[in-house]
Amino acid sequence: GQQVMQIPQYQHVQEGEDFTTYCNSSTTLSNIQWYKQRPGGHPVFLIQLVKSGEVKKQKRLTFQFGEAKKNSSLHITATQTTDVGTYFCRGRANFNKFYFGSGTKLNVKP
Amino acid sequence: SQTIHQWPATLVQPVGSPLSLECTVEGTSNPNLYWYRQAAGRGLQLLFYSVGIGQISSEVPQNLSASRPQDRQFILSSKKLLLSDSGFYLCAWSVGQTNTEAFFGQGTRLTVV
Repeated sequence: GQQVMQIPQYQHVQEGEDFTTYCNSSTTLSNIQWYKQRPGGHPVFLIQLVKSGEVKKQKRLTFQFGEAKKNSSLHITATQTTDVGTYFCRGRANFNKFYFGSGTKLNVKP
Repeated sequence: SQTIHQWPATLVQPVGSPLSLECTVEGTSNPNLYWYRQAAGRGLQLLFYSVGIGQISSEVPQNLSASRPQDRQFILSSKKLLLSDSGFYLCAWSVGQTNTEAFFGQGTRLTVV
């Protein structure tokens, strides 16, 4: 069953506003990954976090891994229309068992 | 470089008909292989994963099955499709236990009518 919960399910923002999606796991994760799926496309890997409390940045995107390694967030500063898509987290619970969050669908109004 | 091929891209099948979706990976050896299903507007549900030839683990009991006849070939099958089998099926691969980035195929959009 689903072990990684992700919120919100949908987010509509005006271009230029910030956006954040959160993932929470009931179990400690060895690592967490983030993917972006454009409408009609397939998920594409963005980043992987491994260490407790880790923070990584990719231009306007900031990724965080919680101290307890049970939660993670993706924050986009000043969204652009190119950010439209669904963002998924993917957590590794144990050997070769990976679970995706339910995804957050981001819509950006120009 | 590694590539993953998944076909067909779209498929319309009647209820009760069989299904066979194929996925092949090139440029790597002994990959971990995955089948996911994504219902419209929903998340990614792990259906099957395989760590080697003939080794299949099922995550969700249903009328689907998977096989791995060769190292880089992963097949998703059904003997009789149900309406609820409609969705976007994605094959993915990764390597090893630590480098767990998953690379996805283009997906197959299956509509059962």
